[in-house]
Amino acid sequence: DTAVSQTPKYLVTQMGNDKSIKCEQNLGHDTMYWYKQDSKKFLKIMFSYNNKELIINETVPNRFSPKSPDKAHLNLHINSLELGDSAVYFCASSLRGGHLEQFFGPGTRLTVL
Amino acid sequence: DQQVKQNSPSLSVQEGRISILNCDYTNSMFDYFLWYKKYPAEGPTFLISISSIKDKNEDGRFTVFLNKSAKHLSLHIVPSQPGDSAVYFCAANLQGAQKLVFGQGTRLTINP
Repeated sequence: DTAVSQTPKYLVTQMGNDKSIKCEQNLGHDTMYWYKQDSKKFLKIMFSYNNKELIINETVPNRFSPKSPDKAHLNLHINSLELGDSAVYFCASSLRGGHLEQFFGPGTRLTVL
Repeated sequence: DQQVKQNSPSLSVQEGRISILNCDYTNSMFDYFLWYKKYPAEGPTFLISISSIKDKNEDGRFTVFLNKSAKHLSLHIVPSQPGDSAVYFCAANLQGAQKLVFGQGTRLTINP
């Protein structure tokens, strides 16, 4: 009965490959987010979707494309992976208008070789 | 340009004593400040928040203090317990943007 789940937990891949990370929340929340925790440990927002509609798109390379098939899912697809994409990616969700209290998934550690 | 910074990567405190975690910010447009707690292999979980119009908010053993003139906030945990050992992230809400800006975290270790 995990609230926010991500798959896979670990992802090791070669440069140039395309990969996806899936996120699902069963909290009935309207808003979902993707964060990247970089090598300096800062947690930085990448995207935010509200009821399948993109509302925040930070300065992220267009190799990163979020897809929200429904409000319970927000997947992250990454094309042409680069070494600098290695990081931990966290998915989160919140109630509409309740973005102060976000519920995070366990993270996906992506390693690009 | 990191707008929220936690300059202590780690902190070690004896069980029963007070833990003080610090956070500095640069943007005057932040209107809420929050602390999140993270255990290994889990995502961060919301702990406590404070509005920019207040200078203190208390919830059980956790108190957050805000000093707007110094652009500084701190989280006090007293008494510290072994289960408090975790990484603590400071975060700030950018007014009108509906997004949180996080610091880099401080790893707190409570020693028995």
